[in-house]
Amino acid sequence: DADVTQTPRNRITKTGKRIMLECSQTKGHDRMYWYRQDPGLGLQLIYYSFDVKDINKGEISDGYSVSRQAQAKFSLSLESAIPNQTALYFCATQDTSGTEAFFGQGTRLTVV
Amino acid sequence: QKEVEQNSGPLSVPEGAIASLNCTYSDRGSQSFFWYRQYSGKSPELIMFIYSNGDKEDGRFTAQLNKASQYVSLLIRDSQPSDSATYLCAVPRDNYGQNFVFGPGTRLSVLP
Repeated sequence: DADVTQTPRNRITKTGKRIMLECSQTKGHDRMYWYRQDPGLGLQLIYYSFDVKDINKGEISDGYSVSRQAQAKFSLSLESAIPNQTALYFCATQDTSGTEAFFGQGTRLTVV
Repeated sequence: QKEVEQNSGPLSVPEGAIASLNCTYSDRGSQSFFWYRQYSGKSPELIMFIYSNGDKEDGRFTAQLNKASQYVSLLIRDSQPSDSATYLCAVPRDNYGQNFVFGPGTRLSVLP
């Protein structure tokens, strides 16, 4: 099993719908991140959390919200999906040494 | 606001050649630099990272830092078709290794 697991892997949803992307990890890391990847733009940070009671906005948080339910779980919600939120979404974890980030398999989201 | 720039490519090299990938960064105070490899449709995975105090070699991969010109290079010796991927350069947003600013990535194609 993957150390960082994202569900679902693929999702097609309609404009205006609420959708939640889930991430769970078995690495025991405190730091968790949500990134969005668009072609030619690299990875952009949406939200991050350094422990269960810590939530921080990233570069592109508008239209998104997150919940850190436990050390191992970090969910990303789109309250009212719009087509320009169509992208590949990655969850990542990192330990406090500040070195390697470990990425989940990604969720491909399409908003129609 | 830290920025990381990369030539999007594609960079094409013949099998067995040296591939040279470059990344420029905006913050002169950056102290660590990361290279991730991402195969199409897959998640990024760390290849190597270096600190500002020196270059690093790991097998066929060498990371070199030019602080004066604010760029970091990744050299891949004896390039193989399996090295064909997008290479992402990343710099932490702070000196504790928290978060990363990612470049848009350079697509490398190694031709058999």
